[in-house]
Amino acid sequence: QVQLQESGPGLVKPSQTLSLTCTVSGGSISSATYYWGWIRQPAGKGLEWIGRIYTTGNTDYNPSLKSRVTISVDTSKNQFSLKLSSVTAADTAVYYCARERRVVLGVIMGYYFESWGQGALVTVSS
Amino acid sequence: DIQMTQSPSSLSASVGDRVTITCRASQSISSHLHWYQQKPGKAPKVLIFAASSLQSGVPSRFSGSGSGTDFSLTISSLQPEDFATYYCQQSYNTPWTFGQGTKVEIK
Repeated sequence: QVQLQESGPGLVKPSQTLSLTCTVSGGSISSATYYWGWIRQPAGKGLEWIGRIYTTGNTDYNPSLKSRVTISVDTSKNQFSLKLSSVTAADTAVYYCARERRVVLGVIMGYYFESWGQGALVTVSS
Repeated sequence: DIQMTQSPSSLSASVGDRVTITCRASQSISSHLHWYQQKPGKAPKVLIFAASSLQSGVPSRFSGSGSGTDFSLTISSLQPEDFATYYCQQSYNTPWTFGQGTKVEIK
């Protein structure tokens, strides 16, 4: 059973860069079936997809965050990482890493979040 | 972006009730619709993928239906552990987007 665990600073100052790492255990991050993604959830609010990465390093980002987001993968450590630059209070949220499983749906592949980390609360404050 | 709209935003129900939550997409998404359950302080958990496929380990009282723009999640007989917030999510086009959530509370 795959497990994902987020790690990183819980407090980031405004205008600085938020950095989180997700460590994957019980499965290989190099598997062809999965993408590896980040989702966030401000307190009391809904879920926002940030972006994802494939084992090859191919990425997709939410256009609303694209200019500030970088997702990278380290297959040797079975980890992937999120960097979000120029943060403000609006970026305060619980950040989840997740495994996106591919499902065949006609000619277009579908993806759903099959496994999640427990979440990491990141607060942006001076 | 594809907008996902859930209804109702919240509902009160009793143990044993049949509960249905709906999700509407702003454009056709075929069967690229997935349902999640989230309890307070916990990560979401997938219940249904591809509109109607039950995730392994999820009780059979959960079912999903729909295609195109209109989808539903049904709990056939609500159990105490089902009180939670439910989200739909589309994976037809990036960015993946979620509905705003439906909170199921105890009546």
